[in-house]
Amino acid sequence: GAVVSQHPSRVICKSGTSVKIECRSLDFQATTMFWYRQFPKKSLMLMATSNEGSKATYEQGVEKDKFLINHASLTLSTLTVTSAHPEDSSFYICSASGVYEQYFGPGTRLTVT
Amino acid sequence: DAKTTQPPSMDCAEGRAANLPCNHSTISGNEYVYWYRQIHSQGPQYIIHGLKNNETNEMASLIITEDRKSSTLILPHATLRDTAVYYCIAGMEYGNKLVFGAGTILRVKS
Repeated sequence: GAVVSQHPSRVICKSGTSVKIECRSLDFQATTMFWYRQFPKKSLMLMATSNEGSKATYEQGVEKDKFLINHASLTLSTLTVTSAHPEDSSFYICSASGVYEQYFGPGTRLTVT
Repeated sequence: DAKTTQPPSMDCAEGRAANLPCNHSTISGNEYVYWYRQIHSQGPQYIIHGLKNNETNEMASLIITEDRKSSTLILPHATLRDTAVYYCIAGMEYGNKLVFGAGTILRVKS
């Protein structure tokens, strides 16, 4: 199947700093990508839908000014967590839309100290 | 998106078939039934999806009832590596978001 990568796989940052997470579709072009977050022992929660060349669509309750999403090309979407706080510590997962299904990245573990 | 209901957990003996049920009584006519699984601390993995007909691939079989209100994912010969959280999702094809429920924790035991 198609491959989606995320970078970094793990990141630790200090409270108040910003962190950028990259999501790349390696062998196909993805017009649409999605960003999820997952807390321990919980299910995935959709944060936003990212469409190439346009503004992201955020789910209710997700702060668009805190979680900046850019989808500048058909193979790359980025999520920037701005002014991170300990409560932003989570597992962030992206996915890219294929023809029939979504292909998920391996996830990025963010820890804010 | 239609809501799905799954049992919170199931056990299965290694080598036996694992049958995972899912209820989706409010599914609309153009929504597919998708199954994904997530092994601990990894991204979800696509398993199979279907609209009306039963489907089979190298990983699993999907049986959808005639009224489309429920379905069953079948792993024919479960192995220890099939231990994961299995998510049943009702959703549209290409480019549409998937809303994950709580899923079923499948434990395959030797």
